[in-house]
Parts: sequence; C-alpha cells; structure tokens
Amino acid sequence: DGGITQSPKYLFRKEGQNVTLSCEQNLNHDAMYWYRQDPGQGLRLIYYSQIVNDFQKGDIAEGYSVSREKKESFPLTVTSAQKNPTAFYLCASRRSGTVNTEAFFGQGTRLTVV
Amino acid sequence: AQSVTQPDIHITVSEGASLELRCNYSYGATPYLFWYVQSPGQGLQLLLKYFSGDTLVQGIKGFEAEFKRSQSSFNLRKPSVHWSDAAEYFCAADNNAGNMLTFGGGTRLMVKP
Repeated sequence: DGGITQSPKYLFRKEGQNVTLSCEQNLNHDAMYWYRQDPGQGLRLIYYSQIVNDFQKGDIAEGYSVSREKKESFPLTVTSAQKNPTAFYLCASRRSGTVNTEAFFGQGTRLTVV
Repeated sequence: AQSVTQPDIHITVSEGASLELRCNYSYGATPYLFWYVQSPGQGLQLLLKYFSGDTLVQGIKGFEAEFKRSQSSFNLRKPSVHWSDAAEYFCAADNNAGNMLTFGGGTRLMVKP
C-alpha cells in the first residue's frame, strides 16, 4: 500500500544531542513537508522540499535541518540549537506540478527531551 | 500575511446533535481550502477539499463544508454527530503559489453521550 512512514513513533533525546526523524513515502510525490505540532498552536511548517536536492525554510526552521537526496526520503534533524524541541512532528507529501492536490500525512513522531 | 483562523479551540456537542466548526481565511485571492481530522497521537486525514465550483462540498464520514467568499469562511458541518467523531479538526488553505499549506490552530471536538 502507498503511504508515508515516519519513524520512530516515539523518540527521546538528551539535551545537547542531535536526533534525526525519518520520513519515507512511496507515493511518488515530488513535494514533502515537515510540520511541528504543539498543543493549541496547530501545525507550523518547519521545512519543505518541492524537488530532490532542493528545500526551503518554513516558518520555524531555526534549530532544524533537512536533506532531500532521494525523492522518497526527507529526514529531519533536530539539532541542539533547537531550544524547545519537545513536540509532535508530522511529515507530509503531495504531488506538485499540478493544482488542487491534497497533502498526505504520516502518523507522526513524538519527540521528548529528557 | 496569509492566515487561517479557527475561532473555537474546544467544542462539545451531544451525540446526535448537529455540528458546525468555523474556519476563516485571510488571503489575497481565494485559496484552495481543506479540512483535516486528527485522532490523538495520529496523523491527519483529509475530510474534504474545495478548489472551485459548487460552494457546498461533500466529504467523508458524512461531513460537508460550505465556502462563502463574502465571509472568507469555510465552515465544516455534520447533521448528526457520532461519538467516533471526537477528534481534532484542522482547516487549511493553500494559495498554490508556494505549494504550502497553512493550518488553523485546530478545534478539539468532544462528544457527550
């Protein structure tokens, strides 16, 4: 079945460590996105990529980094520079180059700093 | 700046009652509009979308939404709520320029038996 897979589902990080969240899709979508979700704040865009080897900062990119070496994969690294990384992270993908397409979401990764 | 607003953070309705969740957008032109639902600890599932044409759109699970240009609104409705509808609902908009979705803050729906 086609879809988006995020791993791990739960992740614990010590302060000062970098961690990488995985996002893989087999929908053949060009565009991929990372959102951060905090209670009462909806979803905020961290980074997005519309094509391989290219990505753009979203609204809250500070303290995060991404890569897009393959169409199927868009990993997110939460660096030690992110001051408050505890949150629920959602990856999404959608077709680009055509109008009127919805985004498909993974099941999320809950990151907790311990 | 482009924005999506969901004025109600929490809504509680009785099972079997009707439901309306509000969504307002602020964009230079009419954006493409979506409603998503999220169960606790899960990803988002698309309920319905509006791009053009008929301003009343039907979605899954018995939901519908009406686009009103004059009010910059895209409210979600359901005639009779089921206990399984308890979840968080997000309105989103896309101006199709940057290929990005902007989300509202979400409305958490609770259903009383």
